[in-house]
Amino acid sequence: GAVVSQHPSRVICKSGTSVKIECRSLDFQATTMFWYRQFPKKSLMLMATSNEGSKATYEQGVEKDKFLINHASLTLSTLTVTSAHPEDSSFYICSARVFLAGGDEQYFGPGTRLTVT
Amino acid sequence: RKEVEQDPGPFNVPEGATVAFNCTYSNSASQSFFWYRQDCRKEPKLLMSVYSSGNEDGRFTAQLNRASQYISLLIRDSKLSDSATYLCAVNRESNYQLIWGAGTKLIIKP
Repeated sequence: GAVVSQHPSRVICKSGTSVKIECRSLDFQATTMFWYRQFPKKSLMLMATSNEGSKATYEQGVEKDKFLINHASLTLSTLTVTSAHPEDSSFYICSARVFLAGGDEQYFGPGTRLTVT
Repeated sequence: RKEVEQDPGPFNVPEGATVAFNCTYSNSASQSFFWYRQDCRKEPKLLMSVYSSGNEDGRFTAQLNRASQYISLLIRDSKLSDSATYLCAVNRESNYQLIWGAGTKLIIKP
């Protein structure tokens, strides 16, 4: 399957600071990437859809000024959590859309565990 | 009603047994369906796409029932390594965003 990397895998930061998470497609070009967050024992929650060269589309209830998404190239999308607070602590996962003959599939990065103290 | 629903389990199953999960979806216009596997504190990994005609991959069989709006996953001859949370995902009407179930936890016991 397609390989998606994510960096960092784990980050601890102080309240009020910003954290940047990178999502890269390693062996393919991804015009569309997705950012999710997941709380323990809960489902994946789609935060936004990131399209290369255009503004991200945010889901209802997700603050676009707090979660800045940039998709400047076909292999890289970044999520910046600005002015992080303890309630932003979560598992953040990106995925990339892969076009196949039979239909689209999504492949996930390994996730970033963010802890805000 | 949630867009995608799964029984959270856990399903406690002896090794070697057959186990099946269902996942119901509310949007009849959905076109793409998937089963993912997620291990504790890891990212989801695609297990299989679900096609209209059903599909099989080794010990795993996926089926789609459009009339009743559910997909199923059958695991035969279960292994200890099958212990995980199984997530179903359904695409939103007319676009490629996926809506996720909360997952079914499976525990295979020796």
